Amino acid sequence: DAGVTQSPTHLIKTRGQHVTLRCSPISGHKSVSWYQQVLGQGPQFIFQYYEKEERGRGNFPDRFSARQFPNYSSELNVNALLLGDSALYLCASSFTSATTDTQYFGPGTRLTVL
Amino acid sequence: GQQVMQIPQYQHVQEGEDFTTYCNSSTTLSNIQWYKQRPGGHPVFLIQLVKSGEVKKQKRLTFQFGEAKKNSSLHITATQTTDVGTYFCAGPRSGANNLFFGTGTRLTVIP
Repeated sequence: DAGVTQSPTHLIKTRGQHVTLRCSPISGHKSVSWYQQVLGQGPQFIFQYYEKEERGRGNFPDRFSARQFPNYSSELNVNALLLGDSALYLCASSFTSATTDTQYFGPGTRLTVL
Repeated sequence: GQQVMQIPQYQHVQEGEDFTTYCNSSTTLSNIQWYKQRPGGHPVFLIQLVKSGEVKKQKRLTFQFGEAKKNSSLHITATQTTDVGTYFCAGPRSGANNLFFGTGTRLTVIP
């Protein structure tokens, strides 16, 4: 079975631009979470979606938004990019939204903002 | 606010030596999970501990959850070069259904 997939793998943008990152969860998983990982730090929670509904939001500005589609795939959108948005963006899927459910991470999208 | 600290931040060991990383939470955790992230890779789930005082082993790795469910440790016996990476603990964010990751311990194994 395929694991969590993310696209694109790498992305270079300039300040002020908009970016859309995509994630496909493991087949059968209904929950998708997005994390931002700045170099040298642990992943920071951004959003969680379960059954197409937002179940949690981290401490990120409104420039960050996300949605989940009927097939449980998800998009993370970031508007008005800042240099500080440069990071590895990780998507994790799990069967349910419970924290006791194992989260499986995708390979991530490395975003560089110039 | 909720904090999950790990010590040490970095650890260099000779191959064959043991390694331990400690995870300390500012709040009681219902469960704690450990992840390994290889250089340039993504976090990979290792294990979950739920019960107070729980100890679990995976080959050379021993995981422990403290009695007060506020701290945890990961011990690796006789490290190998394949153990290189950053080890993160993670617990449920207070009042939410998502994870709060620790600061991580980066392990370097010198052959």
